[in-house]
Formats: sequence, structure tokens, C-alpha cells
Amino acid sequence: EAQVTQNPRYLITVTGKKLTVTCSQNMNHEYMSWYRQDPGLGLRQIYYSMNVEVTDKGDVPEGYKVSRKEKRNFPLILESPSPNQTSLYFCASGLQGNTGELFFGEGSRLTVL
Amino acid sequence: AQSVAQPEDQVNVAEGNPLTVKCTYSVSGNPYLFWYVQYPNRGLQFLLKYITGDNLVKGSYGFEAEFNKSQTSFHLKKPSALVSDSALYFCAVKDYKLSFGAGTTVTVRA
Repeated sequence: EAQVTQNPRYLITVTGKKLTVTCSQNMNHEYMSWYRQDPGLGLRQIYYSMNVEVTDKGDVPEGYKVSRKEKRNFPLILESPSPNQTSLYFCASGLQGNTGELFFGEGSRLTVL
Repeated sequence: AQSVAQPEDQVNVAEGNPLTVKCTYSVSGNPYLFWYVQYPNRGLQFLLKYITGDNLVKGSYGFEAEFNKSQTSFHLKKPSALVSDSALYFCAVKDYKLSFGAGTTVTVRA
């Protein structure tokens, strides 16, 4: 089954404790992206990757890091989480060139205390 | 700069009635337009897209959308809504990047 898998789905952590949200896709997609969803703001792009070892900032990259060492994986790293990073995070993947037709993971709800 | 607006935070309709979710956009070039749906506690799912051609686009679950270049709109429609259509709907536009609207919550009452 074609899918994008995120882990963990739910996480409560404390300010400053480094965490990683993993994302894996099994569709051999070149394009992957991270979004955060906040009420009234829709989805805002954090980082994206056009292919292995190619990453770039989205609209709200501050406080986040990513890496793309393998085609299937695109982890999101919060080196020192802060309460304003409490949000619902989505990983998405798509065909080369970012056609706009994306496949989304189920989401990871992060709470930073 | 590109942008997309969904002027209604919420839309409430009775089951069996027509459903319309509004979307307007602003881009410098020819737009690629999309609709996604998000059911509770789930990720977004692609519904339909407009790239070029016929202004009326048909998608999943009986939804369709009408592209209107003069009004820069891409409204989502369904002739007869179901309770199971209750969800959060996002319009998106792609020019140089993909941008999402803030979302419209649709509630279909039985």
C-alpha cells in the first residue's frame, strides 16, 4: 500500500529537549516536504527536498532542521524545541518537480511545555 | 507573490443539498489549482486539480470544481452533500511553490 508514515503520532516534550520526527514514503517519490498546521493559518511549509541531498527552506524554517540522506526518508529535527513549535506536523511526498499533487502522512501532534 | 484565500471559515449544509466551498487565488502566471480534504485525525487527501483545459474539473467522491479565470476563483462543488463529507477542505495554488489556504470546515447535518 502506498503510504507516507510519520512517527511519533503524538509527543509531549519539554523546552530544549531535542527531538526528531521521522517520515518515510514507499512510493519512490523524489519530492518530500514538511508542513505545520495551526488553526486559522492553514498549512505552512517548513522545509522541502527535491531529491536526495537537496533540501531548501520553506516559509517557516526557523527552529527546524532536515536531512535527506535516502530517498525514502525525510526526518524533521527540532534541536531545541520551544512552546511556539507546539503544532500539528505533516510530512508529504510527491513526484519529481513538485507537481502539487501530494501524498500526506497522518500527522504528528507535538506539544512543547 | 502568490496567495490563496478561502473566505468562509465554516460552511453548513443539510444532507442532500448542494455544497459549495469557495476559493480565490492570486498568481503572476498560469495557476495550478488543487483541492484537498482532511478528515478528523487524518492527513490531507488529494481531491482534484486544474492544470489546463476544461474549466470544470471532476474529482474524487463526487466532487467537482470550476475554474474561473476572470474571477480568479476555483470553487469546490458537490451537487448532493453527504454527512460523510463533513471535513476540513483546503484549496491550494501552485505557481513557483505550493501555497495552501487557511481551510474551510464543512459540516453536513443529517
